[in-house]
Amino acid sequence: GAVVSQHPSWVICKSGTSVKIECRSLDFQATTMFWYRQFPKQSLMLMATSNEGSKATYEQGVEKDKFLINHASLTLSTLTVTSAHPEDSSFYICSATREGASSYEQYFGPGTRLTVT
Amino acid sequence: AQSVAQPEDQVNVAEGNPLTVKCTYSVSGNPYLFWYVQYPNRGLQFLLKYITGDNLVKGSYGFEAEFNKSQTSFHLKKPSALVSDSALYFCAVRRSYNTDKLIFGTGTRLQVFP
Repeated sequence: GAVVSQHPSWVICKSGTSVKIECRSLDFQATTMFWYRQFPKQSLMLMATSNEGSKATYEQGVEKDKFLINHASLTLSTLTVTSAHPEDSSFYICSATREGASSYEQYFGPGTRLTVT
Repeated sequence: AQSVAQPEDQVNVAEGNPLTVKCTYSVSGNPYLFWYVQYPNRGLQFLLKYITGDNLVKGSYGFEAEFNKSQTSFHLKKPSALVSDSALYFCAVRRSYNTDKLIFGTGTRLQVFP
């Protein structure tokens, strides 16, 4: 149990276009979902935290107008990279915590590799 | 501020030998500590956690970690390494007691040679 999926697994887009990445909890309801960004050979950097039905909380330095997060249901959160530029190319990973659980674990998706040309 | 440090960028070990991946932490209050593993182009997989209780925590795939409060360490260990253990390992600490946010270390690449 506790499977998180992401779609797409990789995407290539042209500079100036927008890209949407989906994060789904497949077999549980997610209290909270997190979005991370990982650069090559670097650690995960938390971008934002989202809860179903409320606005996402962004970490310092993350542009909320550029990285739009929508948490439409307890099983789906989306990250939209608007007006993408080459410097937005990265590996984006989402995670979720299980509603009602006290395990303190985050369950991670497989990641989405975004390449902006 | 909470933080974790992984002092080694890479650890090399021969298959069959014991392995240790180091992690030290700095927290105020009781630490909630985690180890995750990442395979190439994949998300993170949970290995184990320490919240409270026994200092020796056993996790997935034969891994274990020892919580040492006096040394503020949470080193990951395995008695006998496998080539398939080769991956990137992250230590993480919960940012504070009232949040699920995690702070990750910089990661340690484990290379197990046959």
